Amino acid sequence: GDSVTQMEGPVTLSEEAFLTINCTYTATGYPSLFWYVQYPGEGLQLLLKATKADDKGSNKGFEATYRKETTSFHLEKGSVQVSDSAVYFCALSRNSGNTPLVFGKGTRLSVIA
Amino acid sequence: GAVVSQHPSRVICKSGTSVKIECRSLDFQATTMFWYRQFPKQSLMLMATSNEGSKATYEQGVEKDKFLINHASLTLSTLTVTSAHPEDSSFYICSALGPAEAFFGQGTRLTVV
Repeated sequence: GDSVTQMEGPVTLSEEAFLTINCTYTATGYPSLFWYVQYPGEGLQLLLKATKADDKGSNKGFEATYRKETTSFHLEKGSVQVSDSAVYFCALSRNSGNTPLVFGKGTRLSVIA
Repeated sequence: GAVVSQHPSRVICKSGTSVKIECRSLDFQATTMFWYRQFPKQSLMLMATSNEGSKATYEQGVEKDKFLINHASLTLSTLTVTSAHPEDSSFYICSALGPAEAFFGQGTRLTVV
């Protein structure tokens, strides 16, 4: 069945450091790919998404590119801030988001000043 | 963005009692809601799909008599954990399907003692 694998956390970075959180997936066909973020005490929020190969999703300085050849959707940010501290979930969906999501385990990011 | 409210955020109950978790879409109508469960250091796993006005669809391995789901209106779905046991302790999170994406509640941390 479909699955998502993302790098284990926790990840601790200094402010302004470069961030990469790896995510790979297993699915038949062409799923849509998502990154969700969960700030402390809040629900999951959609951070960015991509619906077809080579699409790049971007938001709030975060980027991820849908790589069909490597079945990957790695999350990157050039310069993290303390306010980026949260748990990040990679996910896929068979359609554009109107079907249940398959999630990775989540990666906790802590950014220190 | 759209808001989904989940209540309570934390609950501690005695073994053998039942606990009800509510999931409300505050500013849109949701025909479909999803219930997920997350064990420590594991992915969010889909438990069931809740459709307004009809019976929920449960994933394989999820006991429908133990996890009662009611989706009586377009803005409210409830999950009742009946006769709770310590192994039911977990993080439960709901998701309401909006026009273009899924929106998540804050999650409920259930501890059964």
